[in-house]
Amino acid sequence: DAGVIQSPRHEVTEMGQEVTLRCKPISGHNSLFWYRQTMMRGLELLIYFNNNVPIDDSGMPEDRFSAKMPNASFSTLKIQPSEPRDSAVYFCASSPPQGLKGYTFGSGTRLTVV
Amino acid sequence: AQSVTQLGSHVSVSEGALVLLRCNYSSSVPPYLFWYVQYPNQGLQLLLKYTSAATLVKGINGFEAEFKKSETSFHLTKPSAHMSDAAEYFCAVSGQRGFQKLVFGTGTRLLVSP
Repeated sequence: DAGVIQSPRHEVTEMGQEVTLRCKPISGHNSLFWYRQTMMRGLELLIYFNNNVPIDDSGMPEDRFSAKMPNASFSTLKIQPSEPRDSAVYFCASSPPQGLKGYTFGSGTRLTVV
Repeated sequence: AQSVTQLGSHVSVSEGALVLLRCNYSSSVPPYLFWYVQYPNQGLQLLLKYTSAATLVKGINGFEAEFKKSETSFHLTKPSAHMSDAAEYFCAVSGQRGFQKLVFGTGTRLLVSP
């Protein structure tokens, strides 16, 4: 089991540029979550999907953020245009159908917007 | 609705001393409870979980937690701290029925001194 795979691990971009973060959940997991972690705000849930359908995107900070899950094995989080305050570590997590096993987190993408 | 409160954003112990990290939960339905650990520059890793079987749960690295319904608590303990235990610890709660998202606490940073 390769775990939850996120790419890239690090991203440095200039303000105004589009950024796309990628996530491959664990095979068989039907729920996927995007989190953002900063020193100031801690761990924030941005959006989550169940069976590829967005269930709750109330945590998405602005319209500049969008997320998709075109199939069970892939999700993207896009920021367009990016701003310095978007700098954070973005985590993807997945979980199986039953809630017993909790979430498995990826290693995160550290985004720096300059 | 569910929520967790972690008492103390930082806890300092000496190597070999007892570790106690506090977590109190609020849930309108029977809960599942989890502890996650995050080492520097890594994702969150599941430490242990309570899923309504035994109230005393043992996890990895010598940690354990006890579910106390009367106190709505799920405190994390370890008899003897190691330097390698220095990390951030997150408590989380979800409902037991159907699809329910995890709600995380704000985290407690454990500092271990020689």
